[in-house]
Amino acid sequence: GAVVSQHPSRVICKSGTSVKIECRSLDFQATTMFWYRQFPKQSLMLMATSNEGSKATYEQGVEKDKFLINHASLTLSTLTVTSAHPEDSSFYICSARDAGGSAYEQYFGPGTRLTVT
Amino acid sequence: LAKTTQPISMDSYEGQEVNITCSHNNIATNDYITWYQQFPSQGPRFIIQGYKTKVTNEVASLFIPADRKSSTLSLPRVSLSDTAVYYCLPQGGATNKLIFGTGTLLAVQP
Repeated sequence: GAVVSQHPSRVICKSGTSVKIECRSLDFQATTMFWYRQFPKQSLMLMATSNEGSKATYEQGVEKDKFLINHASLTLSTLTVTSAHPEDSSFYICSARDAGGSAYEQYFGPGTRLTVT
Repeated sequence: LAKTTQPISMDSYEGQEVNITCSHNNIATNDYITWYQQFPSQGPRFIIQGYKTKVTNEVASLFIPADRKSSTLSLPRVSLSDTAVYYCLPQGGATNKLIFGTGTLLAVQP
């Protein structure tokens, strides 16, 4: 099946610094990728839709200047958390839609645990 | 986007069949219904997807009535490793955004 990877799997950073999370589709091309955030014991919350070669579309309430998304190629999207604060500590998950597959199929990455100290 | 309602939690014992029902009254005509499984600190994993009637794969069955306002995920003979959160989501082809509801925490006991 289609595989999506994320790097790093976990990261600890100091308050005020920026951290970049990578999402890669390993065996398919993804024109569209999605970024989610999940707090403990809560559901996934969609943050933004990332489209290859264009600007990301952010969900209401998500600060686009704080969560920078770049989808520079058909296999890579990055999420940069700028000026991170402890409240940004969360589990970040990406998913990708196979450009050559069904529009109804979406594959999830393993997630990245971000801890801001 | 259609809102879903699922039980917050369910308990079961090993070897039993578990049925989790999800209501999605406002599902769009083009939406499929997809169920995902999520273990702690992992990304969601696809279980099954259907449009109407019954779909079966190697791990589950999905029952969707004619009005498509609800769906039932059936897990035969659950084991301890099936303890997880299960999400049902209407999944449309146009935007393909997935909006997760609360999900159902299934706890399987020995």
